Amino acid sequence: AQKVTQAQTEISVVEKEDVTLDCVYETRDTTYYLFWYKQPPSGELVFLIRRNSFDEQNEISGRYSWNFQKSTSSFNFTITASQVVDSAVYFCALSERETSGSRLTFGEGTQLTVNP
Amino acid sequence: DAGVIQSPRHEVTEMGQEVTLRCKPISGHDYLFWYRQTMMRGLELLIYFNNNVPIDDSGMPEDRFSAKMPNASFSTLKIQPSEPRDSAVYFCASRARRTGELFFGEGSRLTVL
Repeated sequence: AQKVTQAQTEISVVEKEDVTLDCVYETRDTTYYLFWYKQPPSGELVFLIRRNSFDEQNEISGRYSWNFQKSTSSFNFTITASQVVDSAVYFCALSERETSGSRLTFGEGTQLTVNP
Repeated sequence: DAGVIQSPRHEVTEMGQEVTLRCKPISGHDYLFWYRQTMMRGLELLIYFNNNVPIDDSGMPEDRFSAKMPNASFSTLKIQPSEPRDSAVYFCASRARRTGELFFGEGSRLTVL
């Protein structure tokens, strides 16, 4: 069975600080996909990134970066120079066997609050 | 593209009433998913369809819940009869055929009194 753990329930930072959201996963599959979603106060789920298990290259997109380490089963998300608009709940998710239909298992989410 | 469209955005009903939630996936997407979000249980997959065929409904809580996808552009999630513990935000999502990205609708917030 697959499982995603986001140990940080809530994080509060001051604007311009860097912040890292942790994600640890469990799966028996060798082929799997990892995702991050953002849920702002308005409630919608916004796709941020999808990473497959064969690609361990870290990715950077503007102020966002992701660190995928298979050795520790982690897929951490860092926001550099945080802004108030980054305040949201962030979910890490795992999908085993892409061809089965992207059945996502979500972590519990981390509530990030960026204070001015 | 308009994205995944869900209706209603908000629904308040009384226990015992039938509730129908609707979803229009993104055109061309081959998978459709229904998720439920609650404070206690987080985001749970209820059921998903591939090319309009239900593939896995093991997440549907009980027989009061049913879902249909009569065509590629429409799906419904029905609860009959509704109970207060069904109160949640219900998300519909569809999957991009090429990239595998899952796109969510804005959700339907259900309150059962």
